[in-house]
Amino acid sequence: GENVEQHPSTLSVQEGDSAVIKCTYSDSASNYFPWYKQELGKGPQLIIDIRSNVGEKKDQRIAVTLNKTAKHFSLHITETQPEDSAVYFCAALGPGGSYIPTFGRGTSLIVHP
Amino acid sequence: KAGVTQTPRYLIKTRGQQVTLSCSPISGHRSVSWYQQTPGQGLQFLFEYFSETQRNKGNFPGRFSGRQFSNSRSEMNVSTLELGDSALYLCASSPDRVGEKLFFGSGTQLSVL
Repeated sequence: GENVEQHPSTLSVQEGDSAVIKCTYSDSASNYFPWYKQELGKGPQLIIDIRSNVGEKKDQRIAVTLNKTAKHFSLHITETQPEDSAVYFCAALGPGGSYIPTFGRGTSLIVHP
Repeated sequence: KAGVTQTPRYLIKTRGQQVTLSCSPISGHRSVSWYQQTPGQGLQFLFEYFSETQRNKGNFPGRFSGRQFSNSRSEMNVSTLELGDSALYLCASSPDRVGEKLFFGSGTQLSVL
């Protein structure tokens, strides 16, 4: 089955800096890669997603890049703000796993004011 | 539009008991999926229902079961509770395609004593 590894597990940055979180996946058939943000006491919230036919996608301060050859995708957050502090999860899914999402273990992002 | 609603928010049970968790999806969403979140194992897929039929099932024992009603509301049942079942149980709904564009509820925190 699919295996997703996420790094780093903890990321501490100063307000205004950029943050990058990277995930690698094992199943070359996976074709959908979402990112979720989970704040304390809440469920995960979809913040951006990308399909395998696209190399990059941006939404204001957030961007995701996908390298299908290397089987990795990354979340980029620019101009970080304290409210970006949360746990971020990546996931991968596709026909090989019956479109069941496999999640990374999460990255705790801390943005210091 | 109301979000995904999960009840109860917190639950304390003892070993051997059974528990039923409830989930009301976003209006119009026909797919409901359930996940277990623990510090040790992360986010793991339990099962997914679409139009009252189970479409996918994760790698969990038969003590974990679910169902979906004609109004898309879903319930999850865990019988013969074990200490290791202590977790945050999350429900997510999506418009159609399994695993994509998931909208999560805030979860039910289950503690088994």
